[in-house]
Amino acid sequence: KQEVTQIPAALSVPEGENLVLNCSFTDSAIYNLQWFRQDPGKGLTSLLLIQSSQREQTSGRLNASLDKSSGRSTLYIAASQPGDSATYLCAVKALGYNKLIFGAGTRLAVHP
Amino acid sequence: GAVVSQHPSRVICKSGTSVKIECRSLDFQATTMFWYRQFPKQSLMLMATSNEGSKATYEQGVEKDKFLINHASLTLSTLTVTSAHPEDSSFYICSTSVGEAQPQHFGDGTRLSIL
Repeated sequence: KQEVTQIPAALSVPEGENLVLNCSFTDSAIYNLQWFRQDPGKGLTSLLLIQSSQREQTSGRLNASLDKSSGRSTLYIAASQPGDSATYLCAVKALGYNKLIFGAGTRLAVHP
Repeated sequence: GAVVSQHPSRVICKSGTSVKIECRSLDFQATTMFWYRQFPKQSLMLMATSNEGSKATYEQGVEKDKFLINHASLTLSTLTVTSAHPEDSSFYICSTSVGEAQPQHFGDGTRLSIL
C-alpha cells in the first residue's frame, strides 16, 4: 500500500530564506508526482508535476526534484516571501491506479 | 484561469437535509472526476472516483448510499450528501485532469456545515 510522508509538518521562517520541503513515498512504482499549494479554506493549486521518467521540474522560484528509486521528492523554494505562506502537499499517482495519494502536507509560514 | 468549477463554496444547513455539490470541468471533457474529503488540518482523503456514464467507484469505508455520485455528462459530476448529520461536516473537493499524464486540477472546495 502506497504511503506518502511529508517532513516537516510545519515550518516558520523569515522572509528571504531558501527552503526545502521533503516528500517520501513507500512504493517506487509511480506514474508521476505532483506538488500542490493550499491556502486556508481553499482548494488546491497545482505547482509542479514530475513524470516518473523526469528528475526535476522548475517554475519561477520553485524547483521540484524526484528520486524514484529512493522514494523521495523535494520542493525547493528560493527567496521565500510572505505570500508563499500556505500548506504544501505532495501527491503520487501509482502505476495502474487512476488516483492520487496525498501526504499530510507542510504548513509554511514566512514572516516579514 | 480556473480549470474546474465547484459550487456552492459554502453550505450551512440543518441535520437531515440532503446537500448537492456540483463539479464542472471548464473547456474540456472529463470522463473521470475525483471527490475528496478533508478534515481540519488533515490531508485529502479520496472518497470516490466518478466515471461518466457508469457507476462511481467508492473507496473502502465510504458509504455509497450516503454519498451519491452522478456523472451524467462529460463536464459535470455531482456529489449528494444524503440526510446529512453533523459528522458529515467537512471540506469537500473535486478534481479532474485533461489526461492521465496531465496535472490534476482541483475545484475551490465546498465547506459543509451541518447544524
